[in-house]
Amino acid sequence: EVHLVESGGGLAQPGGSLRLSCAASGFTFSGCAMNWVRQAPGKGLEWVSVISGNTFDIKYADSVKGRFSISRDNSKNTLYLQMNSLRAEDSAVYYCAKKRDGSDSMGLFDSWGQGILVTVSS
Amino acid sequence: EIVLTQSPVTLSLSPGERATLSCRASQSVSRSYLAWHQQKPGQTPRLLIYGSSIRATGIPDRFSGSGSGTDFTLTISRLEPEDFAVYYCQQYGSSPYTFGQGTKLEIK
Repeated sequence: EVHLVESGGGLAQPGGSLRLSCAASGFTFSGCAMNWVRQAPGKGLEWVSVISGNTFDIKYADSVKGRFSISRDNSKNTLYLQMNSLRAEDSAVYYCAKKRDGSDSMGLFDSWGQGILVTVSS
Repeated sequence: EIVLTQSPVTLSLSPGERATLSCRASQSVSRSYLAWHQQKPGQTPRLLIYGSSIRATGIPDRFSGSGSGTDFTLTISRLEPEDFAVYYCQQYGSSPYTFGQGTKLEIK
């Protein structure tokens, strides 16, 4: 069974940094593209970033490009999101999401973590 | 960036009725790479439909999707109490992978 557990969230000041982690189990992590998706309180879903299994292909939403960095450690089955220059509008629940097996698009995901709350406020 | 617009924003229906949710794209969605996700309060989203019309594993056949190009539809043939939730369409044919703003399906 696929299991995704996010950690590293919390309160950060505007302009500050946080690093989120997503521990994965129940599937072959190294062969699977992984995404980050966020949801501001009471709002809809927003795709943030994706990384391929071999790390060669990385994409970002324009809203985070240049500030956020996605990475992974396949030896630890862990996905990361380094968030710098944080803004109030980055406040959201952040989900890691696994690409659906067999999809030739990295952006189709069928398993989600429970999410971790990030609050950016002074 | 492909902008997805869902309608209606809120849909009020009774159990047993048929629900029709719409998703319109600002440009053609490549290869009909359009998915629908369901999110219940306090829960994570769940993939219902991908490839415009293919049900994900374990999804009941009262859920069906259709459409191509810029116009897509999610139909729930006969609403069950557990179907009342927020539904999001999402295109995954081209980056950035965008979501619609959601349709809230509420009990009338």
